[in-house]
Amino acid sequence: NAGVTQTPKFQVLKTGQSMTLQCAQDMNHNSMYWYRQDPGMGLRLIYYSASEGTTDKGEVPNGYNVSRLNKREFSLRLESAAPSQTSVYFCASSGGTGASYEQYFGPGTRLTVT
Amino acid sequence: GENVEQHPSTLSVQEGDSAVIKCTYSDSASNYFPWYKQELGKRPQLIIDIRSNVGEKKDQRIAVTLNKTAKHFSLHITETQPEDSAVYFCAAGRGNTDKLIFGTGTRLQVFP
Repeated sequence: NAGVTQTPKFQVLKTGQSMTLQCAQDMNHNSMYWYRQDPGMGLRLIYYSASEGTTDKGEVPNGYNVSRLNKREFSLRLESAAPSQTSVYFCASSGGTGASYEQYFGPGTRLTVT
Repeated sequence: GENVEQHPSTLSVQEGDSAVIKCTYSDSASNYFPWYKQELGKRPQLIIDIRSNVGEKKDQRIAVTLNKTAKHFSLHITETQPEDSAVYFCAAGRGNTDKLIFGTGTRLQVFP
């Protein structure tokens, strides 16, 4: 099992450009999440999807959109990138069979907006 | 809104000493409290978690305690080793498939 995978690993954008971050999991998890991590700020939830076909805003949703394409895939879109969106983005998933509540994280995408 | 506060932000200890990190949460409906370890340049990984129906959980050198009345929980690492050096995050949530709110992290340095 690959677990949670993310593409790309690194990306540099100019202000105003758009891009989509891709995330996929092969653990048959129901829930998926997008976080951003900034120095001194910890992990902040952008959007999450509790099940296929549903999405909800997290703590910092402004400037982002998401799509839960199917049970495996959850993408994050920046329509018009801003320097304030420079960050490391982590995707995570949870909620498979059994009683575990653990969230499994992907390797992250380091995004720089100039 | 929901909030998790974590202290201290940095912690330096000598190898073999104990380290304690404390968190408080605001959402009284929270019933799941995980701790994640993140090494430099790596993804966060779960090291221990506790649910609200127990007050303490231990796994070798790591233990977590929970006080639901006071809405705080703590991570205890005994006999620290240099490989324990990392950033540790606490979080609080309402259980399976639900969102987690993370603390701002504690950078632990263990000196040989």
